[in-house]
Amino acid sequence: GEDVEQSLFLSVREGDSSVINCTYTDSSSTYLYWYKQEPGAGLQLLTYIFSNMDMKQDQRLTVLLNKKDKHLSLRIADTQTGDSAIYFCAELSQGQGNLIFGKGTKLSVKP
Amino acid sequence: DTEVTQTPKHLVMGMTNKKSLKCEQHMGHRAMYWYKQKAKKPPELMFVYSYEKLSINESVPSRFSPECPNSSLLNLHLHALQPEDSALYLCASSHGKGGAPAYNEQFFGPGTRLTVL
Repeated sequence: GEDVEQSLFLSVREGDSSVINCTYTDSSSTYLYWYKQEPGAGLQLLTYIFSNMDMKQDQRLTVLLNKKDKHLSLRIADTQTGDSAIYFCAELSQGQGNLIFGKGTKLSVKP
Repeated sequence: DTEVTQTPKHLVMGMTNKKSLKCEQHMGHRAMYWYKQKAKKPPELMFVYSYEKLSINESVPSRFSPECPNSSLLNLHLHALQPEDSALYLCASSHGKGGAPAYNEQFFGPGTRLTVL
């Protein structure tokens, strides 16, 4: 079945880089996503990567995909206090077309 | 307009009440979703509507009843809920299901925080 795993917490200092990791199980996933959720709010799509790519960069965000190990990571450069949120990785269920979310990583950024 | 709106923002109801959650989008999206999110947990899919027809029901109890009156609106009717149904209910929409992100990117509303007493 489909399952997505993430570490639950990450704490960094402002200005440092943050790396959030995720593993997934569905090798047929064609797209993998990173969503951000601020307290009390809905989910905001940050970026996505197609499964035939190894890396995607979008301003401060870098996504790395190791398809062999089914490992996905999100690197946030120059992390700011406004980046404090919960970050969910998600894979697209090809069968049903819905998103399967990981448990979320709570990123805390200390000034 | 790239927004999904949800009303109400907060709802407190008793176990014998009947209430409805509403979701609206004007992006021309033809797929709409209800997710349930408990505290400190990821969103879990409840229902998917595609072209105003229910395409996925993830074994949700019948006390939750979805309705899609037209392509812009999605309702979730609530009746005889239990305290464990207290959660954030998120609505999302996308152009369609599956395919490329430009087509399946889900836009989420801010959610309705539901408390069942």
